[in-house]
Amino acid sequence: GAVVSQHPSWVICKSGTSVKIECRSLDFQATTMFWYRQFPKQSLMLMATSNEGSKATYEQGVEKDKFLINHASLTLSTLTVTSAHPEDSSFYICSARPAGGRGNQPQHFGDGTRLSIL
Amino acid sequence: GDSVTQMEGPVTLSEEAFLTINCTYTATGYPSLFWYVQYPGEGLQLLLKATKADDKGSNKGFEATYRKETTSFHLEKGSVQVSDSAVYFCALSGGGSEKLVFGKGTKLTVNP
Repeated sequence: GAVVSQHPSWVICKSGTSVKIECRSLDFQATTMFWYRQFPKQSLMLMATSNEGSKATYEQGVEKDKFLINHASLTLSTLTVTSAHPEDSSFYICSARPAGGRGNQPQHFGDGTRLSIL
Repeated sequence: GDSVTQMEGPVTLSEEAFLTINCTYTATGYPSLFWYVQYPGEGLQLLLKATKADDKGSNKGFEATYRKETTSFHLEKGSVQVSDSAVYFCALSGGGSEKLVFGKGTKLTVNP
């Protein structure tokens, strides 16, 4: 149980393109989803917290207009990297926390999306 | 703020060796503690967790005990396998926040 599907798994595109990444919770509902960025051989950096039906909460230093987050349903959140440039190349990972239950429920992670901007 | 300090890798072991990856934390209140594992090219998988002092999380032969007195949550396995080769992340959440705070990760390589 508690499967999170992330799509696509790998994207290569030209500079200036906008790229959308989807994160779906397949067998549970998630009022909260999280988006992380991971640089090579480094830990995960939280970019934003996505709440269903409301605006995302971005971490300090993360550009809201650059990384657009939409959480339109209890099973889907999307991250759009707008006008992507080579410095946006990275591994992006989403996670979802099951709705309800106690606050210490673990987050379940997708398999990540490797974004390469040429 | 909250933080997690993890032993730096990489760690290289022979198959069937004993594994310890140290993790200590700084947090206000009583956080929940987690170990996640990341296999090459994949996202993170929850390995085990503990939500209060003296709890022991265990899964797939891995164990970690929540030690409040030493603010530690060390990961152990008695006999590692080649398939355990991965990056291991210690993490916490707490203080009413849903956010996870991660350690820097420890890369484990197990040789046959």
